[in-house]
Amino acid sequence: DAGITQSPRHKVTETGTPVTLRCHQTENHRYMYWYRQDPGHGLRLIHYSYGVKDTDKGEVSDGYSVSRSKTEDFLLTLESATSSQTSVYFCAIEADQGVAPLGTDTQYFGPGTRLTVL
Amino acid sequence: QKEVEQNSGPLSVPEGAIASLNCTYSDRGSQSFFWYRQYSGKSPELIMSIYSNGDKEDGRFTAQLNKASQYVSLLIRDSQPSDSATYLCAPEGAAGNKLTFGGGTRVLVKP
Repeated sequence: DAGITQSPRHKVTETGTPVTLRCHQTENHRYMYWYRQDPGHGLRLIHYSYGVKDTDKGEVSDGYSVSRSKTEDFLLTLESATSSQTSVYFCAIEADQGVAPLGTDTQYFGPGTRLTVL
Repeated sequence: QKEVEQNSGPLSVPEGAIASLNCTYSDRGSQSFFWYRQYSGKSPELIMSIYSNGDKEDGRFTAQLNKASQYVSLLIRDSQPSDSATYLCAPEGAAGNKLTFGGGTRVLVKP
């Protein structure tokens, strides 16, 4: 799992409430990503970070914000959750050449968070 | 037109046969290509990468790349029931550091 944890692993919340998902890594990787995965849409990039306080939008960023105040933590916030944000959320890191688990500079995923918005 | 196209399947293959998965992509600047395997309820797991035109073999997996045709494929030889999963194709964008995922092909290997 490339030293990535996500919390919570499951969450049920109500429409209109704020929600924050946490991604934590232990290996000092520079790049971190948040994706959502929905049936029929595959994995879609929400936001990504290329360093502390350096973030950028992905293809489905509306309704989401992120923060990265420390290298090891990347937070995803739904300011006011909607039912359309019910999904499985994956965090990923990009491992640098030489330390990547398969010796390949690419993305490795955390275990995921299943979010249900009622 | 989607940026990365995969047949959603399911692709049903008998145990011991070859499973052939295809992927087309639209970004001509893509230089790196990745295949991930995802079991139901689990996170994607990297199984193959390919950067140059031609074939790359790793165990029972072979990735094939044709940049001129914007086509990448994955062959699974001697398919096992444990290969039953969804396989995601992911080219890396020309600028690097960002992957675009196809919708995945579900593979079912029947004993």
